[in-house]
Amino acid sequence: GNSVTQMEGPVTLSEEAFLTINCTYTATGYPSLFWYVQYPGEGLQLLLKATKADDKGSNKGFEATYRKETTSFHLEKGSVQVSDSAVYFCALSLQTGANNLFFGTGTRLTVIP
Amino acid sequence: AAGVIQSPRHLIKEKRETATLKCYPIPRHDTVYWYQQGPGQDPQFLISFYEKMQSDKGSIPDRFSAQQFSDYHSELNMSSLELGDSALYFCASSLKLGGEKLFFGSGTQLSVL
Repeated sequence: GNSVTQMEGPVTLSEEAFLTINCTYTATGYPSLFWYVQYPGEGLQLLLKATKADDKGSNKGFEATYRKETTSFHLEKGSVQVSDSAVYFCALSLQTGANNLFFGTGTRLTVIP
Repeated sequence: AAGVIQSPRHLIKEKRETATLKCYPIPRHDTVYWYQQGPGQDPQFLISFYEKMQSDKGSIPDRFSAQQFSDYHSELNMSSLELGDSALYFCASSLKLGGEKLFFGSGTQLSVL
């Protein structure tokens, strides 16, 4: 089947700390991988994506590399800010023409000053 | 830029009542997706439409139905509401042939009492 396993939260970091949120996946085909962010009271926003092995997605200082050998797509940021506090979802979609996403359970990040 | 618009923003219903949620996709987007996010849970794919036809079906209960209209807006109809239907319902839109990027609305918070 298709699924995403995400590091459980919540994660609390001090400002400027290094962030890693682990994500691994299982898929029947060759998925595209995504990180979505959900700020309080808002909808999901695409943070970054990668569509094939060894691709690196990056946005707003966040990065994730599509690792086929370890079926992983870990999210990293070198220096988090208070404004990064949100819930982060790892997701995959199969390149079959149906664009629906399979989400992980989400990881709540709280950054304290 | 115009985003995905969902209405209502909040909805309170009683058990066994019906509810209708509306979604207006980004202009020129031809594909609409519905997701259900229970409290503290990851979004679960319900159903999607492309060019007014159902394109994919996920974990949508038989009590729910949805359709996409000629102006591409979509409505999710929910009948015989149960307490467990209380959730945040997201709509997303995309261009079918434009890659896998989904744009999410802010969601409709449904509370069933």
